[in-house]
Amino acid sequence: GAGVSQTPSNKVTEKGKYVELRCDPISGHTALYWYRQSLGQGPEFLIYFQGTGAADDSGLPNDRFFAVRPEGSVSTLKIQRTERGDSAVYLCASAFDRFQETQYFGPGTRLLVL
Amino acid sequence: KQEVTQIPAALSVPEGENLVLNCSFTDSAIYNLQWFRQDPGKGLTSLLLIQSSQREQTSGRLNASLDKSSGRSTLYIAASQPGDSATYLCAVGGDYKLSFGAGTTVTVRA
Repeated sequence: GAGVSQTPSNKVTEKGKYVELRCDPISGHTALYWYRQSLGQGPEFLIYFQGTGAADDSGLPNDRFFAVRPEGSVSTLKIQRTERGDSAVYLCASAFDRFQETQYFGPGTRLLVL
Repeated sequence: KQEVTQIPAALSVPEGENLVLNCSFTDSAIYNLQWFRQDPGKGLTSLLLIQSSQREQTSGRLNASLDKSSGRSTLYIAASQPGDSATYLCAVGGDYKLSFGAGTTVTVRA
């Protein structure tokens, strides 16, 4: 079966531009997570969706970051007015439900802001 | 806030040697603990998931232990192979989100 997919795999943009990162979770998984991984660090939690709603967005660094999951499946992470410090790997994960079963991770989107 | 530490940061061993990777966490009120493998430029692959009520979990050459009271987990990899070279990440599960350590980068020399 298909795993978690993320597009694009790589994204290079200029400072100040807007970017969208897409995540397709495993079919039937109701829980979806976004994490951000900087070089040499472990992933850091950004936001958690249960179904269509953002149950916890406390990890989003500021109001330039926003994520949606309108139909409870595909999710899009949106970053406005990108800054060089936003450069990182953005990882998406899904799980069957919120009760902490194994989270399955996608390959990530490598974002580079010049 | 949960803090997760992994020691050592890097490890190099000859093929065939057993690997011992350590993970410590500050808040013992956890739901579970998960070990992941990450290859360069790739996403995370789940290796083992230990529920908070369990003391250990095994899969093939891998064995992970959990001591919640002391805030520690250890991943053992028996008879290491060059294909085991990767970064291993420990992640502590709260109600729904994971808190990760920075990882241990393992090199197995042929």
